[in-house]
Amino acid sequence: NAGVMQNPRHLVRRRGQEARLRCSPMKGHSHVYWYRQLPEEGLKFMVYLQKENIIDESGMPKERFSAEFPKEGPSILRIQQVVRGDSAAYFCASSPGLAGYADTQYFGPGTRLTVL
Amino acid sequence: GIQVEQSPPDLILQEGANSTLRCNFSDSVNNLQWFHQNPWGQLINLFYIPSGTKQNGRLSATTVATERYSLLYISSSQTTDSGVYFCANERGGADGLTFGKGTHLIIQP
Repeated sequence: NAGVMQNPRHLVRRRGQEARLRCSPMKGHSHVYWYRQLPEEGLKFMVYLQKENIIDESGMPKERFSAEFPKEGPSILRIQQVVRGDSAAYFCASSPGLAGYADTQYFGPGTRLTVL
Repeated sequence: GIQVEQSPPDLILQEGANSTLRCNFSDSVNNLQWFHQNPWGQLINLFYIPSGTKQNGRLSATTVATERYSLLYISSSQTTDSGVYFCANERGGADGLTFGKGTHLIIQP
């Protein structure tokens, strides 16, 4: 049973470009979470999605950031017009969603975004 | 929002030593997890422990929900235990986890 998969593992973008980060949850998991880890800091919650629904996006910047989890395919975190401050590690986690929100979350390896 | 405080922030030990890492919460403990982030950046689940005690090899964890804290014990440390240990709790009834700032552990040979 494969774990949470993220790609790419490393992504380099120039200021003003778009970054697309992908996350495939563990098999059988229907809940996806995105977190951001800035250098030398802990992880900060960004957004929580279920299939075709954004449940909680309170941690996501209002501008330039968006997320989706379509019926088919991976979850996508999209950052438009990237700036240097977006450089960070972005982690995706998934949970089965069997116990409401009190679920163990399993994390992917992360995507390290560098904005030049 | 919920506050998660970890101590100590840094810890340097010799191989073979034991250690205790602590996590305090400002709110109720609902979805308490401990993670190890290795030097390559990977986050590894250690324990899901909203209450009680669990053990896995040289690691064990105890959460006292009524007093809003959790402890992670590492016995007979090995160099591969080095990295950052995070605890996280559910965000005050909302979805997603709130993480502490971590304990940076270095095990020296």
